Amino acid sequence: EPEVTQTPSHQVTQMGQEVILRCVPISNHLYFYWYRQILGQKVEFLVSFYNNEISEKSEIFDDQFSVERPDGSNFTLKIRSTKLEDSAMYFCASRRQGNGGYTFGSGTRLTVV
Amino acid sequence: GIQVEQSPPDLILQEGANSTLRCNFSDSVNNLQWFHQNPWGQLINLFYIPSGTKQNGRLSATTVATERYSLLYISSSQTTDSGVYFCAASGGSNYKLTFGKGTLLTVNP
Repeated sequence: EPEVTQTPSHQVTQMGQEVILRCVPISNHLYFYWYRQILGQKVEFLVSFYNNEISEKSEIFDDQFSVERPDGSNFTLKIRSTKLEDSAMYFCASRRQGNGGYTFGSGTRLTVV
Repeated sequence: GIQVEQSPPDLILQEGANSTLRCNFSDSVNNLQWFHQNPWGQLINLFYIPSGTKQNGRLSATTVATERYSLLYISSSQTTDSGVYFCAASGGSNYKLTFGKGTLLTVNP
């Protein structure tokens, strides 16, 4: 079964550093998403991406965040200057056109120290 | 946006027991999924079920879209079923998923 692949699985970074989380969505999917889950809380929407542009973003997704699809296969989330409160599990997901469920990646656990 | 509420928040079972988890949503949906979050934090997709009934082994799910709820049934529970079960739904053109707070299931041997 096709998978969404995320790397790295764990990342520890110093406060103020930039991090890039990487995702390879399923190849024939057209819609891409980032979600995050702070420890012990529910999963929250960050941003959706379609046709090489952001289609919707949440209030969490401020100027410190950006997304990019640099080539035909990768989808990245960049946090420019990390804060302690950015510590969370970040999930990438993709979806094909039309009705159909999401496929989530295994997540990247980001710890900001 | 759409609101998703799950109940119960916690559930403790003995191995072999059956259980029903509920998900209520506030508006019509174009996507509803059930996930199991394993101890490593991974979200495992159980069902894509915006309407109707599906079964997969000991698990089954039913969504009654007109009454805005979905049920996840776990039969003959096993200790490996332990974890958090999330319901997530979307109702808009962007298919943005809103997650419930989850049900923490503990199955004791």
